[in-house]
Amino acid sequence: DGGITQSPKYLFRKEGQNVTLSCEQNLNHDAMYWYRQDPGQGLRLIYYSQIVNDFQKGDIAEGYSVSREKKESFPLTVTSAQKNPTAFYLCASSYGGAGGDNEQFFGPGTRLTVL
Amino acid sequence: GIQVEQSPPDLILQEGANSTLRCNFSDSVNNLQWFHQNPWGQLINLFYIPSGTKQNGRLSATTVATERYSLLYISSSQTTDSGVYFCAVKGDRISGNTPLVFGKGTRLSVIA
Repeated sequence: DGGITQSPKYLFRKEGQNVTLSCEQNLNHDAMYWYRQDPGQGLRLIYYSQIVNDFQKGDIAEGYSVSREKKESFPLTVTSAQKNPTAFYLCASSYGGAGGDNEQFFGPGTRLTVL
Repeated sequence: GIQVEQSPPDLILQEGANSTLRCNFSDSVNNLQWFHQNPWGQLINLFYIPSGTKQNGRLSATTVATERYSLLYISSSQTTDSGVYFCAVKGDRISGNTPLVFGKGTRLSVIA
């Protein structure tokens, strides 16, 4: 069954701690993305990766880090430098290649709460 | 960068009513998607529609790329249609597989 999985579904963190959110896809997609959503707001891009071992900053990358060591996986680390990390985090992926079908699909999300 | 505006921001409907949601964008696009975010936060793909018209059951969408807008039609609305509807676009001057830009969404509430 193909799709995008995110774990955990809910995550609680104490101030000053780093946490890593998992995102895995088995759709053979080249590109993966991380978005943040605050209550009542739209989605804002944190980081994206078009190919393994390469990634680019989005609009709100400060306080976050990513890695892309495997095509299937794109973990997001929320560091202690992120001033207001409580939010809903969504991972997405899409097929890559110029002229290809770039429809983007989303995982179910992780709700992070800083205590 | 490309700008995306959705209207109306909020919409309340009686069950069975029809509605039209609008998405305006500031530049030409090669990708436009409509999503429905359900109460649990999941983003559901509704349409991939950079141009033309598509229909899926009670939902249909039209994108007029030359005039830089897209419309999402919901007919015979049901309470399960409630949630937030997002439009997202990618400008065609951006090469490669760059990210979608999202509008702020339309929050739809369907009342029984």
